[in-house]
Amino acid sequence: NAGVMQNPRHLVRRRGQEARLRCSPVKGHSHVYWYRQLPEEGLKFMVYLQKENIIDESGMPKERFSAEFPKEGPSILRIQQVVRGDSAAYFCASSPLRTGNNEQFFGPGTRLTVL
Amino acid sequence: DQQVKQNSPSLSVQEGRISILNCDYTNSMFDYFLWYKKYPAEGPTFLISISSIKDKNEDGRFTVFLNKSAKHLSLHIVPSQPGDSAVYFCAAPNNSGYALNFGKGTSLLVTP
Repeated sequence: NAGVMQNPRHLVRRRGQEARLRCSPVKGHSHVYWYRQLPEEGLKFMVYLQKENIIDESGMPKERFSAEFPKEGPSILRIQQVVRGDSAAYFCASSPLRTGNNEQFFGPGTRLTVL
Repeated sequence: DQQVKQNSPSLSVQEGRISILNCDYTNSMFDYFLWYKKYPAEGPTFLISISSIKDKNEDGRFTVFLNKSAKHLSLHIVPSQPGDSAVYFCAAPNNSGYALNFGKGTSLLVTP
């Protein structure tokens, strides 16, 4: 399966711990997007990255959240000192080109539960 | 603020009938729209799209209609099948061209 891979699929953390979510894009895709879906809500854009660069992080909370997409390896979304409000499904998507007019391919998501 | 709105959280349709899912948007700058389908515990998968220069796009059983003056689009599924039961999201790229604005989704249930 050459689709977007995300792991872990489920992650449980206690308040104050760190959460690391990984995303491997479709092979050959160099554009990665992270979205968050809170319960009963639609997906909300968080951050857009290309290899080694953050292009747009306007949707990401200013504190505790960070993202990277290194030259080698998966994209990582890191949440420090998690709080209950961080509980959500986090989806990664990738595309071969920058524009949203091309289909973004989504991974299965990581469901984060903060106790 | 929600720029893409799906006001019907759920819809139930009998197999073989037409399913109509609606979506409204507020940003007149949107020029491209996408529908995604999502099964539980999976990520959204692309279904069909439409450019603002068109008012209709058809792909098999799926047709999307766009009414720009009303800032409204709809997805028609004919005939509906039980396998179509899923959550359907309407989305539009924002002015940046890449960040998708999603509606809250409509959960479609197709009953045999």
